[in-house]
Amino acid sequence: AQKVTQAQTEISVVEKEDVTLDCVYETRDTTYYLFWYKQPPSGELVFLIRRNSFDEQNEISGRYSWNFQKSTSSFNFTITASQVVDSAVYFCALSTGFQKLVFGTGTRLLVSP
Amino acid sequence: DADVTQTPRNRITKTGKRIMLECSQTKGHDRMYWYRQDPGLGLRLIYYSFDVKDINKGEISDGYSVSRQAQAKFSLSLESAIPNQTALYFCATREGSSASTQYFGPGTRLTVL
Repeated sequence: AQKVTQAQTEISVVEKEDVTLDCVYETRDTTYYLFWYKQPPSGELVFLIRRNSFDEQNEISGRYSWNFQKSTSSFNFTITASQVVDSAVYFCALSTGFQKLVFGTGTRLLVSP
Repeated sequence: DADVTQTPRNRITKTGKRIMLECSQTKGHDRMYWYRQDPGLGLRLIYYSFDVKDINKGEISDGYSVSRQAQAKFSLSLESAIPNQTALYFCATREGSSASTQYFGPGTRLTVL
């Protein structure tokens, strides 16, 4: 069975602070895909990144970066110099091929001015 | 125009009523999904469809039914709504490739009184 754990329910930071959102996954499959989605207060789900199990390269996109470590089954997400617009719920998710996405319970990030 | 649309966006109904939530996509994807989101629980899969003739139950299909009227349309029905079906419902689509990303509609907020 697949499982995604986001142990941080809510994180509060002040603007310009760096923040890391943790994601730990469980799967017995050797081929799998990891995702991060953002859900702003408006409610929609915005795709941020996909990483496959064969690619452990870290990814950086502007202020966002992702650290994928198979040894610890983690796929952590860091926002550098956070901004108020980063306030949202962030979901980590796991997919093993053609099947469903398994979501974590989400981490609510509050960035105050 | 949005690639994945859901109607209605908001609905308030009463216990026992039949409700249909509709999803349409212009992405040309074969695979479509219905999820519900409850506070603190992340997203859970209700039903999914790999093509017009293929319908599969997800982890929480009881009390729901679906119809895949065409490649681009996937409807979710609550035959007799009950209050614990109050939730945010998302439709999602993806390509047939195992490496593909799921893209979500804007969500339908359903309240059952």
